[in-house]
Amino acid sequence: DGGITQSPKYLFRKEGQNVTLSCEQNLNHDAMYWYRQDPGQGLRLIYYSQIVNDFQKGDIAEGYSVSREKKESFPLTVTSAQKNPTAFYLCASSSGQRLADQETQYFGPGTRLLVL
Amino acid sequence: KQEVTQIPAALSVPEGENLVLNCSFTDSAIYNLQWFRQDPGKGLTSLLLIQSSQREQTSGRLNASLDKSSGRSTLYIAASQPGDSATYLCAVGGGSQGNLIFGKGTKLSVKP
Repeated sequence: DGGITQSPKYLFRKEGQNVTLSCEQNLNHDAMYWYRQDPGQGLRLIYYSQIVNDFQKGDIAEGYSVSREKKESFPLTVTSAQKNPTAFYLCASSSGQRLADQETQYFGPGTRLLVL
Repeated sequence: KQEVTQIPAALSVPEGENLVLNCSFTDSAIYNLQWFRQDPGKGLTSLLLIQSSQREQTSGRLNASLDKSSGRSTLYIAASQPGDSATYLCAVGGGSQGNLIFGKGTKLSVKP
């Protein structure tokens, strides 16, 4: 089955702790994205990557970090610098590296991060 | 800066009704527009993608239109069913970072 997987489904973070959210895709897509969703808000872009070993900050990158060492994987780390991390995190991917080639974005099932 | 607005925020209709969801955007320089469905606590499912050169797309009971010049899109759902109950999100593609810019969604409830 082709698709995007995210793990874990729920994640609990203690004060001062860094946590990493996993995102894997087997769609052979070049571009991958991380979004944050808060109640009553639209999705907001955290980071994106259009090719392996390259990534760019989105609108709300502060307190987050990413890596893109493999085409299939785009993990997101929520650092202790992110003071309000409680949210629903969604990973997405799409084919095409150029802006003009942007096709349908496919989303994973999401990870809900809660602070203890 | 691109802004996407969806009206209404919530909608409740009886089963069988035809309905229209609205989406407006402030910058007409877009590559495409996508409609998504989101069930509670779940990820997004793509419903329809309209490229900037297209006027509409259809899939089953769904029809989406795009009017770039006026900055509007509509999602038409024919003969609504309780299973259509979900939040519908509109997103425009072509932000400076290549990402989608999302509206806040319309929460649809179809009553049996």
